Amino acid sequence: SQQGEEDPQALSIQEGENATMNCSYKTSINNLQWYRQNSGRGLVHLILIRSNEREKHSGRLRVTLDTSKKSSSLLITASRAADTASYFCATDRTSGTYKYIFGTGTRLKVLA
Amino acid sequence: DTEVTQTPKHLVMGMTNKKSLKCEQHMGHRAMYWYKQKAKKPPELMFVYSYEKLSINESVPSRFSPECPNSSLLNLHLHALQPEDSALYLCASSHPGLAGGPDRNEQFFGPGTRLTVL
Repeated sequence: SQQGEEDPQALSIQEGENATMNCSYKTSINNLQWYRQNSGRGLVHLILIRSNEREKHSGRLRVTLDTSKKSSSLLITASRAADTASYFCATDRTSGTYKYIFGTGTRLKVLA
Repeated sequence: DTEVTQTPKHLVMGMTNKKSLKCEQHMGHRAMYWYKQKAKKPPELMFVYSYEKLSINESVPSRFSPECPNSSLLNLHLHALQPEDSALYLCASSHPGLAGGPDRNEQFFGPGTRLTVL
């Protein structure tokens, strides 16, 4: 399966702390995206990083990509209770019809 | 308008019922997707439509039948479902992608339909 693996599966931190979650994948990719999902609702796109990029920032989010290790990390700085959600990475294939495969996800809980 | 809408929000059906899920977007996206998501699991791709043509069917049972009547609408027809089909069904849309294009592959998701099969 091409499905990515994320770790940790669950993470609980205090408000104001940083949260780091990791994603590993198996095949070559064009780009990798991170999504957030609040409980039982649709996914919200957070950030996209292309295979030729190593780091990308968006507000309190920092994403890194290491294609040699087939891994990515998402860092959320100065976390807030509203960041409580599940976070998924999603990777595409470099050939064939475009589609995304989602990782197993990290459930983040930020305690106020 | 950057919204994907899905109806209904909740659906309860018996195993002999026929029902349909609907999805709509007006962002000019020519790729639309159906995903199935079980609790505490990632979304699993079911179908992809590109330019209103079915381009990916991830070996989904025939009791799920997708339809793309036009570039803004996507339906999922349900018939003779099983209790294990109970899940959150998510619709998404995007530009069909030029792979590696400038942020063209972002998917916009609808809020989902929570389906319960009795």
